[in-house]
Amino acid sequence: DAGVIQSPRHEVTEMGQEVTLRCKPISGHNSLFWYRQTMMRGLELLIYFNNNVPIDDSGMPEDRFSAKMPNASFSTLKIQPSEPRDSAVYFCASSLGTTSRNQETQYFGPGTRLLVL
Amino acid sequence: RKEVEQDPGPFNVPEGATVAFNCTYSNSASQSFFWYRQDCRKEPKLLMSVYSSGNEDGRFTAQLNRASQYISLLIRDSKLSDSATYLCVVNPTGSSNTGKLIFGQGTTLQVKP
Repeated sequence: DAGVIQSPRHEVTEMGQEVTLRCKPISGHNSLFWYRQTMMRGLELLIYFNNNVPIDDSGMPEDRFSAKMPNASFSTLKIQPSEPRDSAVYFCASSLGTTSRNQETQYFGPGTRLLVL
Repeated sequence: RKEVEQDPGPFNVPEGATVAFNCTYSNSASQSFFWYRQDCRKEPKLLMSVYSSGNEDGRFTAQLNRASQYISLLIRDSKLSDSATYLCVVNPTGSSNTGKLIFGQGTTLQVKP
């Protein structure tokens, strides 16, 4: 079975450019999460969706970041304009849902390594 | 105070050793607890869920102490392949389960021959 799919796997861009990260969750999963990981701050939750609806975006650093989930099988995280401090690994994760304890397990994609020069 | 705190290590141990990691959490209403494993340059993957007072899976044992608000992970007879970062994870909510998980900074384990 396919796991969470992310693209691109690596992205190198220049400061000021727009960056779009993509995620396809596991089929049938109702919750989708975007994380950012750096050495200094560890794994940080940016935003998450339940049934395509954004539930909590309090982790989004600032207005330069936006996320959408137009349907159950696709989500994007956009940074515009990008800055060097945005350099990190961005993970997408999905889970079955929130109605019972054993549905909490989050399955992570391979991540997108972003470098902003 | 961070919601989930771990000793970052690194823990350097010889093969065959027993090693234990602790993790503390701040929200006493937390109901669900997990250990994830992350290999270098890879994504985190679920290692164990921790329910009630704890559970065991082969060489791995997870314990939960609600009174002191800490979780532990014990690895017996450690293997070279156990070298990784171990992330303590907590669902911080009480009665309303939103699915949001809080990840600790991770504890790095290096098992040496």
